[in-house]
Amino acid sequence: GENVEQHPSTLSVQEGDSAVIKCTYSDSASNYFPWYKQELGKRPQLIIDIRSNVGEKKDQRIAVTLNKTAKHFSLHITETQPEDSAVYFCAASPPWGNTPLVFGKGTRLSVIA
Amino acid sequence: KAGVTQTPRYLIKTRGQQVTLSCSPISGHRSVSWYQQTPGQGLQFLFEYFSETQRNKGNFPGRFSGRQFSNSRSEMNVSTLELGDSALYLCASSDRQGNTEAFFGQGTRLTVV
Repeated sequence: GENVEQHPSTLSVQEGDSAVIKCTYSDSASNYFPWYKQELGKRPQLIIDIRSNVGEKKDQRIAVTLNKTAKHFSLHITETQPEDSAVYFCAASPPWGNTPLVFGKGTRLSVIA
Repeated sequence: KAGVTQTPRYLIKTRGQQVTLSCSPISGHRSVSWYQQTPGQGLQFLFEYFSETQRNKGNFPGRFSGRQFSNSRSEMNVSTLELGDSALYLCASSDRQGNTEAFFGQGTRLTVV
């Protein structure tokens, strides 16, 4: 089955700097890669996702890149703000509809003002 | 449209007891997945139900079980509780199996003493 590795487990950046979180996956058939943000005491919420037919997707200060050959994808947050502080989870899912999302172990991002 | 609702929010149980958690998905969603969240272990998949059938099961002991009703509401049961079962239990619903956004509930915080 699919296995997702996520690095780093913790990340501290100064406000205004960029943050990058990387994930690798094992199943070359996976074609859906969402990222979730979980603020303290709250539920995980989708912030951006990408499918394998594109290499990059942007939404304001957030972008995700996908390298299918190397089987890794990354989350990029530019101009970080204190409200970006949270735990971020990557996930991967194969195309057939009967398998669940497999999540990485999460990255705790701290943005220092 | 109402989000995913989990009840209760908090539970304290004694070792050896059993517990039942409930999850009401977003209206129209037929897929419900359950995850266990513990510090450092991320979101570990328990099982997924679709149209009242368990379609996938994670690597958890048989003490963890679940079911889904005809209205797509799902329950998760843990018998013979152990201290290590203390965790945040999250359910997520989606409109189809896999390969799509999962919407999470707020979770049930289970503490076993």
